[in-house]
Amino acid sequence: AQSVAQPEDQVNVAEGNPLTVKCTYSVSGNPYLFWYVQYPNRGLQFLLKYITGDNLVKGSYGFEAEFNKSQTSFHLKKPSALVSDSALYFCAARAGANNLFFGTGTRLTVIP
Amino acid sequence: NAGVTQTPKFRVLKTGQSMTLLCAQDMNHEYMYWYRQDPGMGLRLIHYSVGEGTTAKGEVPDGYNVSRLKKQNFLLGLESAAPSQTSVYFCASNPVSGKNNEQFFGPGTRLTVL
Repeated sequence: AQSVAQPEDQVNVAEGNPLTVKCTYSVSGNPYLFWYVQYPNRGLQFLLKYITGDNLVKGSYGFEAEFNKSQTSFHLKKPSALVSDSALYFCAARAGANNLFFGTGTRLTVIP
Repeated sequence: NAGVTQTPKFRVLKTGQSMTLLCAQDMNHEYMYWYRQDPGMGLRLIHYSVGEGTTAKGEVPDGYNVSRLKKQNFLLGLESAAPSQTSVYFCASNPVSGKNNEQFFGPGTRLTVL
């Protein structure tokens, strides 16, 4: 079965510190991987994606993600967290043309 | 561009009532999707459409119907609402099929079924 796992429901980090939100995937074939962010009472906003090429992908708002094929992971990172980064983060993977599988989400809280 | 819009934003129904959620996009996207978001479960695909006049079932289609009569609109119907359908519903769209296309999401509809 194809799936995406986000092992941490909650991540807390101090403002200015680096942050990591973890994601692992299980899909057949070459996966296309995405990160989305959701602010309170809003829809999901696209952050970044991995299609092919460089394993380090840069996206919006200073976020980046590292694709690791051997570990089937696609962790989201940021060198220096901001309070405004506090939100719900979703990892997603697509193998077929239509099916986008989402993880259960990780709530990031950046502490001032 | 308004992007993806959803109406209504909130709705409370009694068990057995029916309603239709409307999704509209002005980006000329071919593909449209309906998801539901429940705590601890992420987003689950209800139905999707690959073009005007076509629909297909997703992961959790039971209790829902959809229609795509116009390219820009994707309607989600609940014929007889149940408390288990209390959720936040999101519509999304993306251009012609391609694994690398990110989806664009609407702001959501919060539905409560009593």
